[in-house]
Amino acid sequence: DAKTTQPPSMDCAEGRAANLPCNHSTISGNEYVYWYRQIHSQGPQYIIHGLKNNETNEMASLIITEDRKSSTLILPHATLRDTAVYYCIVSSGGATNKLIFGTGTLLAVQP
Amino acid sequence: GAVVSQHPSRVICKSGTSVKIECRSLDFQATTMFWYRQFPKKSLMLMATSNEGSKATYEQGVEKDKFLINHASLTLSTLTVTSAHPEDSSFYICSTPGGPYNEQFFGPGTRLTVL
Repeated sequence: DAKTTQPPSMDCAEGRAANLPCNHSTISGNEYVYWYRQIHSQGPQYIIHGLKNNETNEMASLIITEDRKSSTLILPHATLRDTAVYYCIVSSGGATNKLIFGTGTLLAVQP
Repeated sequence: GAVVSQHPSRVICKSGTSVKIECRSLDFQATTMFWYRQFPKKSLMLMATSNEGSKATYEQGVEKDKFLINHASLTLSTLTVTSAHPEDSSFYICSTPGGPYNEQFFGPGTRLTVL
């Protein structure tokens, strides 16, 4: 699986949009971009994933560049409960495909 | 999405004893489960892939005789840390691909402390 690069930490004001970048320049054509987050002392939680089109669900939006070498996770209105480590992972998405976690981005939402 | 539970949520044991951690898929039949461990302020590290009815596949550097994995049913995988030592103290997390896009659903984790 391709490696990803994320900034180690980011701050965001409560109520504002949080934009979390991820570089995955070696992504293969059949690999998806997945985003998970981990709130302190809990198991990770799936947020969203995409292949090449932008995606939106009730939690977030995912913007993938046309060359697929980078993406941005957008939390439109961050709340204090969104404070967590956010992981960007690329994977071919099969049921037996293991996830390799990088170091992620610690998003701190400030009141 | 799939609901995954782990038991116990935290355990403290003496050095040299064995500890069993259970991972259950409550509403989904999981032929595959993954086991991770996470040291403080570090990322999750994949330990092994648990396959129902067959032997687990271990990642490089993970001792299969120390971390015994059993996946005897479609809803239960167990990880046994044998002869635990203080350096095995960690947060152990399981997951299963339970969503329509094979997204992973994670258990809440088990905090192991070896004295």
